[in-house]
Amino acid sequence: NAGVTQTPKFRVLKTGQSMTLLCAQDMNHEYMYWYRQDPGMGLRLIHYSVGEGTTAKGEVPDGYNVSRLKKQNFLLGLESAAPSQTSVYFCASSSRLAGLNEQFFGPGTRLTVL
Amino acid sequence: SQQGEEDPQALSIQEGENATMNCSYKTSINNLQWYRQNSGRGLVHLILIRSNEREKHSGRLRVTLDTSKKSSSLLITASRAADTASYFCAPGGYQKVTFGTGTKLQVIP
Repeated sequence: NAGVTQTPKFRVLKTGQSMTLLCAQDMNHEYMYWYRQDPGMGLRLIHYSVGEGTTAKGEVPDGYNVSRLKKQNFLLGLESAAPSQTSVYFCASSSRLAGLNEQFFGPGTRLTVL
Repeated sequence: SQQGEEDPQALSIQEGENATMNCSYKTSINNLQWYRQNSGRGLVHLILIRSNEREKHSGRLRVTLDTSKKSSSLLITASRAADTASYFCAPGGYQKVTFGTGTKLQVIP
């Protein structure tokens, strides 16, 4: 099993450009999450999904959109990138079973917006 | 918010010593989890303690939970250089958790 994978690993954008980050998991998890981590800080939840076709806002959703068209994939979109979105983005997934929410993380995408 | 706050922010110890990190949170929880993050990597789940448990062990890890004080501690015994990492607590509900800013642990060989 690959677990949670993220594409791409690195990306440099210019202000105003758009891009989509892809997260894929092969553990048949119901829940998926997108976080951002800024230097010296913890993870902040951007958006999450509790099932295929459903999404919800987290702590810092502004400037991002998400889609969960397939259970195994969770896409994070930046429509018009801003320097404040320079960060490391982590995707995670967890199982709904037992309601305990142990999360499995991807390796991260390092995004720089110039 | 369920967000955990870890204390201390940084901790430096000699190899072989024990390391203790604390976490406080504000609202009622279903469980509390601890994660480790090595530099530049994603978080790795270490241990989960349910709200009706007071103590849990896993290898060299010992976690305690005091729901009356809304606090938890993570003890790493006989630390190794490979334990050098940031450690995050994550007070959790059924669908999501929130992470604090972490404790940065340095284990000196």
